[in-house]
Amino acid sequence: SSELTQDPAVSVALGQTVRITCQGDSLRTYYASWYQQKPGQAPVLVIYAKNNRPSGIPDRFSGSSSGNTASLTITGAQAEDEADYYCDSRDSSGNHYVFGTGTKVTVL
Amino acid sequence: QVQLVESGGGLVKPGRSLKLSCAASGFTLSNYYMSWIRQVPGKGLEWISYISTSGSSKYYADSVKGRFTISRDNAKNSLYLQMNSLRADDTAVYYCARRHCTSTSCYDAFGLWGQGTMVTVSS
Repeated sequence: SSELTQDPAVSVALGQTVRITCQGDSLRTYYASWYQQKPGQAPVLVIYAKNNRPSGIPDRFSGSSSGNTASLTITGAQAEDEADYYCDSRDSSGNHYVFGTGTKVTVL
Repeated sequence: QVQLVESGGGLVKPGRSLKLSCAASGFTLSNYYMSWIRQVPGKGLEWISYISTSGSSKYYADSVKGRFTISRDNAKNSLYLQMNSLRADDTAVYYCARRHCTSTSCYDAFGLWGQGTMVTVSS
Protein backbone atom coordinates (compact mmCIF):
# COMPACT_ATOMS: atom_id res chain seq x y z
CA SER A 1 0.00 0.00 0.00
CA SER A 2 1.17 3.56 -0.71
CA GLU A 3 -1.04 5.16 1.90
CA LEU A 4 0.01 6.83 5.12
CA THR A 5 -2.66 6.83 7.81
CA GLN A 6 -2.90 9.31 10.68
CA ASP A 7 -5.47 9.82 13.40
CA PRO A 8 -7.75 12.71 12.35
CA ALA A 9 -7.48 14.66 15.57
CA VAL A 10 -5.82 14.68 18.97
CA SER A 11 -5.90 17.08 21.88
CA VAL A 12 -3.32 17.88 24.52
CA ALA A 13 -3.33 20.01 27.64
CA LEU A 14 -0.99 22.96 27.64
CA GLY A 15 2.47 21.83 28.73
CA GLN A 16 1.72 18.15 28.35
CA THR A 17 3.03 15.62 25.83
CA VAL A 18 1.28 14.41 22.71
CA ARG A 19 2.31 11.77 20.19
CA ILE A 20 1.02 11.67 16.63
CA THR A 21 1.40 8.50 14.62
CA CYS A 22 1.68 7.74 10.92
CA GLN A 23 1.25 4.20 9.60
CA GLY A 24 2.14 2.78 6.23
CA ASP A 25 4.01 -0.05 4.57
CA SER A 26 6.55 2.29 2.95
CA LEU A 27 7.73 3.35 6.41
CA ARG A 28 9.41 -0.03 6.76
CA THR A 29 11.82 1.16 4.04
CA TYR A 30 11.80 4.95 4.04
CA TYR A 31 12.05 7.62 6.72
CA ALA A 32 9.10 9.85 7.46
CA SER A 33 9.18 13.62 7.55
CA TRP A 34 6.72 15.76 9.48
CA TYR A 35 5.14 19.10 8.64
CA GLN A 36 3.19 21.63 10.66
CA GLN A 37 0.53 23.67 8.90
CA LYS A 38 -1.37 26.52 10.49
CA PRO A 39 -4.55 27.96 8.91
CA GLY A 40 -3.88 29.98 5.81
CA GLN A 41 -0.17 29.16 5.80
CA ALA A 42 2.11 26.86 3.87
CA PRO A 43 3.39 23.75 5.64
CA VAL A 44 6.63 23.96 7.61
CA LEU A 45 9.06 21.07 7.95
CA VAL A 46 9.53 20.15 11.63
CA ILE A 47 11.19 16.71 11.47
CA TYR A 48 13.13 14.98 8.70
CA ALA A 49 15.00 11.69 8.38
CA LYS A 50 13.14 10.19 11.32
CA ASN A 51 14.40 12.47 14.10
CA ASN A 52 16.21 15.55 12.79
CA ARG A 53 14.99 19.11 13.28
CA PRO A 54 15.62 21.91 10.79
CA SER A 55 17.17 25.01 12.28
CA GLY A 56 14.63 27.11 14.14
CA ILE A 57 12.39 24.21 15.13
CA PRO A 58 12.09 23.91 18.92
CA ASP A 59 13.54 20.83 20.56
CA ARG A 60 10.17 19.93 22.02
CA PHE A 61 9.51 18.33 18.61
CA SER A 62 10.98 14.87 18.14
CA GLY A 63 10.47 11.93 15.84
CA SER A 64 10.78 8.18 16.05
CA SER A 65 9.99 5.12 14.00
CA SER A 66 9.33 1.43 14.50
CA GLY A 67 8.25 -1.03 11.85
CA ASN A 68 5.51 0.51 9.75
CA THR A 69 4.82 3.38 12.16
CA ALA A 70 6.45 6.78 12.48
CA SER A 71 5.69 9.11 15.37
CA LEU A 72 5.97 12.80 16.07
CA THR A 73 6.09 13.77 19.74
CA ILE A 74 5.56 17.23 21.13
CA THR A 75 6.92 17.38 24.68
CA GLY A 76 5.51 20.30 26.62
CA ALA A 77 2.99 21.45 24.02
CA GLN A 78 2.54 25.19 23.62
CA ALA A 79 -0.47 27.13 22.40
CA GLU A 80 1.37 27.92 19.16
CA ASP A 81 1.70 24.21 18.41
CA GLU A 82 -2.01 24.01 17.63
CA ALA A 83 -2.04 23.12 13.94
CA ASP A 84 -2.47 20.36 11.39
CA TYR A 85 0.41 17.92 11.17
CA TYR A 86 1.24 15.78 8.16
CA CYS A 87 3.75 12.99 7.70
CA ASP A 88 5.23 12.10 4.37
CA SER A 89 7.55 9.53 2.88
CA ARG A 90 8.47 7.97 -0.40
CA ASP A 91 5.91 5.43 -1.49
CA SER A 92 6.63 1.74 -1.94
CA SER A 93 7.89 2.27 -5.51
CA GLY A 94 10.50 4.72 -4.25
CA ASN A 95 9.79 7.13 -7.09
CA HIS A 96 6.81 8.97 -5.67
CA TYR A 97 6.02 10.72 -2.43
CA VAL A 98 2.92 10.29 -0.34
CA PHE A 99 1.50 12.42 2.46
CA GLY A 100 -0.36 11.19 5.46
CA THR A 101 -4.01 11.99 5.97
CA GLY A 102 -3.18 14.65 8.55
CA THR A 103 -3.80 15.13 12.26
CA LYS A 104 -5.37 18.21 13.80
CA VAL A 105 -3.73 18.97 17.13
CA THR A 106 -5.71 21.04 19.61
CA VAL A 107 -3.95 22.49 22.65
CA LEU A 108 -6.36 22.84 25.56
CA GLN B 1 15.81 36.38 1.42
CA VAL B 2 15.42 32.69 0.70
CA GLN B 3 11.97 32.17 -0.72
CA LEU B 4 9.77 30.61 -3.36
CA VAL B 5 6.97 32.56 -4.99
CA GLU B 6 4.32 30.85 -7.09
CA SER B 7 2.24 32.58 -9.71
CA GLY B 8 -0.10 31.79 -12.57
CA GLY B 9 -3.11 30.46 -10.72
CA GLY B 10 -6.64 31.52 -11.45
CA LEU B 11 -10.04 30.44 -12.74
CA VAL B 12 -10.02 28.16 -15.77
CA LYS B 13 -12.69 26.12 -17.55
CA PRO B 14 -12.60 22.32 -17.58
CA GLY B 15 -10.48 20.94 -20.39
CA ARG B 16 -8.36 24.07 -20.65
CA SER B 17 -4.70 24.59 -19.78
CA LEU B 18 -2.78 26.67 -17.27
CA LYS B 19 0.91 27.12 -16.54
CA LEU B 20 2.18 27.78 -13.04
CA SER B 21 5.52 29.36 -12.26
CA CYS B 22 7.64 29.30 -9.16
CA ALA B 23 10.37 31.89 -8.79
CA ALA B 24 13.25 31.13 -6.46
CA SER B 25 15.25 33.82 -4.77
CA GLY B 26 18.07 33.88 -2.24
CA PHE B 27 19.48 30.54 -3.37
CA THR B 28 20.56 28.70 -6.51
CA LEU B 29 17.65 26.63 -7.79
CA SER B 30 19.92 24.36 -9.83
CA ASN B 31 21.28 22.81 -6.64
CA TYR B 32 17.92 21.37 -5.57
CA TYR B 33 15.35 18.79 -6.56
CA MET B 34 12.00 20.55 -6.70
CA SER B 35 8.41 19.42 -6.34
CA TRP B 36 4.86 20.56 -6.82
CA ILE B 37 2.37 19.72 -4.09
CA ARG B 38 -1.30 20.64 -4.00
CA GLN B 39 -3.99 20.97 -1.39
CA VAL B 40 -7.71 21.17 -1.85
CA PRO B 41 -8.90 23.86 0.60
CA GLY B 42 -9.76 22.23 3.89
CA LYS B 43 -8.23 18.91 2.82
CA GLY B 44 -4.86 17.19 2.96
CA LEU B 45 -1.65 17.54 0.98
CA GLU B 46 -1.05 15.69 -2.27
CA TRP B 47 2.39 15.38 -3.87
CA ILE B 48 2.02 15.63 -7.63
CA SER B 49 5.45 15.87 -9.23
CA TYR B 50 9.18 16.28 -8.77
CA ILE B 51 12.11 17.12 -11.01
CA SER B 52 15.82 16.47 -10.60
CA THR B 53 18.40 19.23 -10.55
CA SER B 54 19.17 18.98 -14.25
CA GLY B 55 15.59 18.22 -15.27
CA SER B 56 16.53 14.83 -16.66
CA SER B 57 14.35 12.92 -14.16
CA LYS B 58 10.69 13.69 -13.62
CA TYR B 59 8.03 11.79 -11.72
CA TYR B 60 4.30 12.32 -11.46
CA ALA B 61 1.44 11.15 -9.29
CA ASP B 62 -0.99 8.90 -11.13
CA SER B 63 -3.69 11.57 -10.73
CA VAL B 64 -1.85 13.98 -13.05
CA LYS B 65 0.39 11.76 -15.17
CA GLY B 66 -0.08 12.44 -18.86
CA ARG B 67 -1.80 15.79 -18.22
CA PHE B 68 0.75 17.79 -16.20
CA THR B 69 4.38 18.50 -17.09
CA ILE B 70 7.01 19.77 -14.69
CA SER B 71 9.99 21.71 -15.99
CA ARG B 72 12.65 24.08 -14.82
CA ASP B 73 14.83 26.86 -16.16
CA ASN B 74 17.85 27.00 -13.91
CA ALA B 75 19.19 30.04 -15.68
CA LYS B 76 16.04 31.89 -14.69
CA ASN B 77 15.92 30.27 -11.24
CA SER B 78 12.38 29.14 -12.02
CA LEU B 79 10.21 26.04 -11.82
CA TYR B 80 7.09 25.43 -13.88
CA LEU B 81 4.01 23.24 -14.00
CA GLN B 82 2.14 22.98 -17.29
CA MET B 83 -1.36 21.72 -16.59
CA ASN B 84 -3.46 20.45 -19.49
CA SER B 85 -6.92 18.90 -19.70
CA LEU B 86 -7.83 20.40 -16.37
CA ARG B 87 -10.67 18.88 -14.38
CA ALA B 88 -12.78 20.10 -11.49
CA ASP B 89 -10.88 17.84 -9.12
CA ASP B 90 -7.65 19.69 -9.96
CA THR B 91 -9.03 22.65 -8.02
CA ALA B 92 -6.53 23.28 -5.24
CA VAL B 93 -3.79 25.47 -3.86
CA TYR B 94 -0.58 24.56 -5.65
CA TYR B 95 2.71 24.82 -3.77
CA CYS B 96 6.22 24.52 -5.09
CA ALA B 97 8.64 23.04 -2.59
CA ARG B 98 12.38 22.60 -2.36
CA ARG B 99 14.10 19.46 -1.20
CA HIS B 100 15.62 19.87 2.24
CA CYS B 101 19.39 20.03 2.25
CA THR B 102 21.92 20.78 4.96
CA SER B 103 25.53 21.79 4.40
CA THR B 104 26.44 18.12 4.05
CA SER B 105 23.47 16.17 2.71
CA CYS B 106 20.07 16.30 1.07
CA TYR B 107 17.04 14.47 2.40
CA ASP B 108 13.65 13.18 1.36
CA ALA B 109 11.81 16.13 2.83
CA PHE B 110 10.38 19.42 1.63
CA GLY B 111 12.26 22.08 3.51
CA LEU B 112 11.10 25.27 1.81
CA TRP B 113 7.62 26.00 0.50
CA GLY B 114 6.11 28.85 -1.40
CA GLN B 115 2.92 30.54 -0.25
CA GLY B 116 0.87 28.73 -2.88
CA THR B 117 -1.26 29.77 -5.83
CA MET B 118 -4.96 28.88 -6.13
CA VAL B 119 -6.21 27.09 -9.22
CA THR B 120 -9.97 26.85 -9.67
CA VAL B 121 -11.35 24.69 -12.46
CA SER B 122 -14.98 25.51 -13.10
CA SER B 123 -17.30 26.30 -15.97
